[in-house]
Amino acid sequence: RKEVEQDPGPFNVPEGATVAFNCTYSNSASQSFFWYRQDCRKEPKLLMSVYSSGNEDGRFTAQLNRASQYISLLIRDSKLSDSATYLCVWNSGNTPLVFGKGTRLSVIA
Amino acid sequence: EPEVTQTPSHQVTQMGQEVILRCVPISNHLYFYWYRQILGQKVEFLVSFYNNEISEKSEIFDDQFSVERPDGSNFTLKIRSTKLEDSAMYFCATRWEGNQPQHFGDGTRLSIL
Repeated sequence: RKEVEQDPGPFNVPEGATVAFNCTYSNSASQSFFWYRQDCRKEPKLLMSVYSSGNEDGRFTAQLNRASQYISLLIRDSKLSDSATYLCVWNSGNTPLVFGKGTRLSVIA
Repeated sequence: EPEVTQTPSHQVTQMGQEVILRCVPISNHLYFYWYRQILGQKVEFLVSFYNNEISEKSEIFDDQFSVERPDGSNFTLKIRSTKLEDSAMYFCATRWEGNQPQHFGDGTRLSIL
């Protein structure tokens, strides 16, 4: 069965902190991985794709470990505006996206 | 930046009534999806649509559901006889091709009374 498991959260961190989320997936055929961000009662928005070599976008760094079927998201220098639910997502080619339940982050002033 | 647009933003309907949710995809996108999210739960796949036909559907997408793209523009989800448990946010997503990521509309909140 296709599943994505995430840290349940919530993570409550002060502004400026570094926070990391982890996600494991069960289907070794998974090819594409993404982190989406979802604000309360809003649509998921793509934060970043995750590549095997790891990738960075400003304060955000994503890592993929295929051998352990594990991906992570690191947020440095947290801002109040980073408060949201972070969704670990995968698919394979043209298959639908499979979502984790998400990890809730609250950044506190 | 081009967007996926959905209408209506909120639909309140009596149980047993039919509803049609509409989505206007990003213009050059080829793959279309419907997902739903029951309050407090994860986003779940309903159906995917490519080349004017359903390419995959989940076990949620039973005979009460249908999709079509009647005019080459709007992509619609119809629920024939709504049930209380159909209450959820319904998201349309579209994608260009290959491994390009899916882009989501801002959703329709469906409330069944």
